Amino acid sequence: EPEVTQTPSHQVTQMGQEVILRCVPISNHLYFYWYRQILGQKVEFLVSFYNNEISEKSEIFDDQFSVERPDGSNFTLKIRSTKLEDSAMYFCASGGRGEDYGYTFGSGTRLTVV
Amino acid sequence: AQSVSQHNHHVILSEAASLELGCNYSYGGTVNLFWYVQYPGQHLQLLLKYFSGDPLVKGIKGFEAEFIKSKFSFNLRKPSVQWSDTAEYFCAGDSGGYQKVTFGTGTKLQVIP
Repeated sequence: EPEVTQTPSHQVTQMGQEVILRCVPISNHLYFYWYRQILGQKVEFLVSFYNNEISEKSEIFDDQFSVERPDGSNFTLKIRSTKLEDSAMYFCASGGRGEDYGYTFGSGTRLTVV
Repeated sequence: AQSVSQHNHHVILSEAASLELGCNYSYGGTVNLFWYVQYPGQHLQLLLKYFSGDPLVKGIKGFEAEFIKSKFSFNLRKPSVQWSDTAEYFCAGDSGGYQKVTFGTGTKLQVIP
């Protein structure tokens, strides 16, 4: 079964550093998303991406965050200057069409900001 | 605002007991509904989804859910749970158009052998 792949699985970074979280969506999907889940809390929407541009973003997705699909296969989330409160599990998802409509999630990247 | 709510935060059942987890949605117009499961330390896995048609949807691992429009509900059921069903269950919804899916707060299910 096709998968969404995320790397790294765990990243520890110092406050103020930049991090890039990587995702390889399912190859024939056209819609891409980032979500995060702070430990013990609900899964929160960050951003959706379609046709090489952001289609929607939440209030969490401020100027510190950016997304990119640099090469047609990878989908990245960059946090420019990490804060302690950015510590969370970050999930990438991709969306298919028709019978495949829905959201397939990757296994997540656990980001720990120290 | 579009939202999904789950009122059971923590459910404890013995093996072989029947399960019903509540989910209510607040969407105007088109709504697509999903149930996801998250096993400890793992990612979100789709159990089942409803778009239209038969309101009783069958998913993987013996789960099913019923869309009741008049009650704005999409409850998840399983006739007989197993210890391996211990996980967190999330109801989610979108309004179509691939914009985003919104999650409920989740229900932690603990099945006691």
